[in-house]
Amino acid sequence: SQQGEEDPQALSIQEGENATMNCSYKTSINNLQWYRQNSGRGLVHLILIRSNEREKHSGRLRVTLDTSKKSSSLLITASRAADTASYFCATDSDSGGGADGLTFGKGTHLIIQP
Amino acid sequence: GAVVSQHPSWVICKSGTSVKIECRSLDFQATTMFWYRQFPKQSLMLMATSNEGSKATYEQGVEKDKFLINHASLTLSTLTVTSAHPEDSSFYICSARDLWGKPDYEQYFGPGTRLTVT
Repeated sequence: SQQGEEDPQALSIQEGENATMNCSYKTSINNLQWYRQNSGRGLVHLILIRSNEREKHSGRLRVTLDTSKKSSSLLITASRAADTASYFCATDSDSGGGADGLTFGKGTHLIIQP
Repeated sequence: GAVVSQHPSWVICKSGTSVKIECRSLDFQATTMFWYRQFPKQSLMLMATSNEGSKATYEQGVEKDKFLINHASLTLSTLTVTSAHPEDSSFYICSARDLWGKPDYEQYFGPGTRLTVT
């Protein structure tokens, strides 16, 4: 089932600016992951944050997780034209055993204007 | 890192025919594989969970007789779209998970298969 909601649905910013995307979910989770997808292509795993973590960094990416609000944010700093893509959050639910598929949000389409 | 491949990358078939899509884990054993479907400009929706040696578990609303899944080995799962119709045209993506591997149960995604039914 689709439990993740992302906002904004689309975001257009100038190169060099920061981009922030938000994700909300509904159930308890083991972890939350962010993926990037270029048009018509496969998924690229960006970062995973566990349910007991609040913030994580990877290069120009910063992810926060607030389990009390069931929300996460992805910040891309100093954006580049190559960051133009769709970004999805995906949750790994806390149903035990690690045998569940991921539940994806609807995605944010990010456009970086040169 | 772990690599998952899909074959074919894209396929065009006529309405009423069946199409088989393969998902392979290349350098690890995947005890569980997942199949997702993505319609244009939409998100990924989980279709089914495939466990090696047992029947697949389908998500609500996914017809098991139409989307046949076979996970015959620890490195291969196949999705067969039977009697395909134009509404089945979509991007099909598989992922594989090694439950005995990393503690975060990371999923590794294949590059996807674009199916067009004419």
